Amino acid sequence: QKEVEQNSGPLSVPEGAIASLNCTYSDRGSQSFFWYRQYSGKSPELIMFIYSNGDKEDGRFTAQLNKASQYVSLLIRDSQPSDSATYLCAVYHSGNTGKLIFGQGTTLQVKP
Amino acid sequence: DAGVTQSPTHLIKTRGQQVTLRCSPKSGHDTVSWYQQALGQGPQFIFQYYEEEERQRGNFPDRFSGHQFPNYSSELNVNALLLGDSALYLCASSFGTGNSPLHFGNGTRLTVT
Repeated sequence: QKEVEQNSGPLSVPEGAIASLNCTYSDRGSQSFFWYRQYSGKSPELIMFIYSNGDKEDGRFTAQLNKASQYVSLLIRDSQPSDSATYLCAVYHSGNTGKLIFGQGTTLQVKP
Repeated sequence: DAGVTQSPTHLIKTRGQQVTLRCSPKSGHDTVSWYQQALGQGPQFIFQYYEEEERQRGNFPDRFSGHQFPNYSSELNVNALLLGDSALYLCASSFGTGNSPLHFGNGTRLTVT
């Protein structure tokens, strides 16, 4: 079992729709969760982080965390073609502070 | 406010050679982490430096080594390069060794022929 799992996609949504990206993690004690966006050929860019159960909203982005289910998601409302990128989920382990573990990423395609 | 800077941007080396990659952290950050990202994969943790010491290490062989300087900048050295070392090498900085967000540089694209 991978430590952080994501569906590689591609996830294709029409412009203006809600894109839902999902991630599961194996370490039940994990406390900190991050979403990065990576455009092709570029480096990852931090877009959201969440530490507590529930939802956290920032503009068109909402991160959702359910520690009991070991599940974190990212919702992108009013998706734009410029949102087309790979979205990386990352988790810090509970017993290995400092080692941020990434999933393989989900490729999102927003079609005009 | 300067972000994380990495050099060089691109590098082509021959199998068996050695390479040194450099990183300057974001202003105010004192911790540097290095990642390797193969095409189509997520970044893989190599190691983390704090207070000039290696604090955490991922599953990489001893051919991968590093250093952190008193000004918090860092180097990644890879010896005896293999074709499989071809990847995007990412440096990320943060403050302290807690669970703070990492901020990435633009990366160094290493090609081993």
